[in-house]
Amino acid sequence: EIVLTQSPGTLSLSPGERATLSCRASQTVTSSYLAWYQQKPGQAPTLLMYGASTRATGIPDRFSGSGSGTVFTLTISRLEPEDFAVYYCQQYGSSPLTFGGGTKVEIK
Amino acid sequence: QVQLMQSGAEVRKPGASVRVSCKASGYIFTRHYIHWVRQAPGQGLEWMGIINPTDNSTKYPQKFQGRVTMTRDTSTLTVYMELNSLRNEDTAVYYCARDSDPGYDFWSDSHSSLDYWGQGTLVTVSS
Repeated sequence: EIVLTQSPGTLSLSPGERATLSCRASQTVTSSYLAWYQQKPGQAPTLLMYGASTRATGIPDRFSGSGSGTVFTLTISRLEPEDFAVYYCQQYGSSPLTFGGGTKVEIK
Repeated sequence: QVQLMQSGAEVRKPGASVRVSCKASGYIFTRHYIHWVRQAPGQGLEWMGIINPTDNSTKYPQKFQGRVTMTRDTSTLTVYMELNSLRNEDTAVYYCARDSDPGYDFWSDSHSSLDYWGQGTLVTVSS
């Protein structure tokens, strides 16, 4: 089973600042089958990125993803008020599918 | 538009079973696999398995094998997840989610990202 470790656990930033979230895998993620999800309180997760770097439909271009192998990054170039949420990475390249523990992006 | 509509909240005693439903609309039901993911209060996301609505094939992670059963009803475009022998630690919000990529080999080791999610169903296990 691939274990995903996200860091930091919490990121305290102001609107307009840049956010950099990390996701490290215990083994190589097959074909960069790595996704990122955003979850707001009381809501289901929504898909942000897949294939490590492809934005899902309707996701603004301030969100970008990068990485391969075992190290992946989600970057939010300029935080908007609606971006404060919890972010999860997920690998779907091998079963069982696994999620990281999440990074909470909170308003400083 | 694609929608996954789940059944309402449930309360069960330890040792009981619960069945959660997930009704799909807005796309061809048999073209996309459905996953189930759960989230305990204040915790992260945990994958529970996947079902192929075309032929009812399923795959479960070892943790849930023998305790979870996923089925589908093609006449009502609904997928079900039943969890047995409930324990207090099964208290969680249960989500169904659509596999984004239609038509790949269900039995391959890899899958796809989850592009649409149900609203979640809170299952509370308490004596």
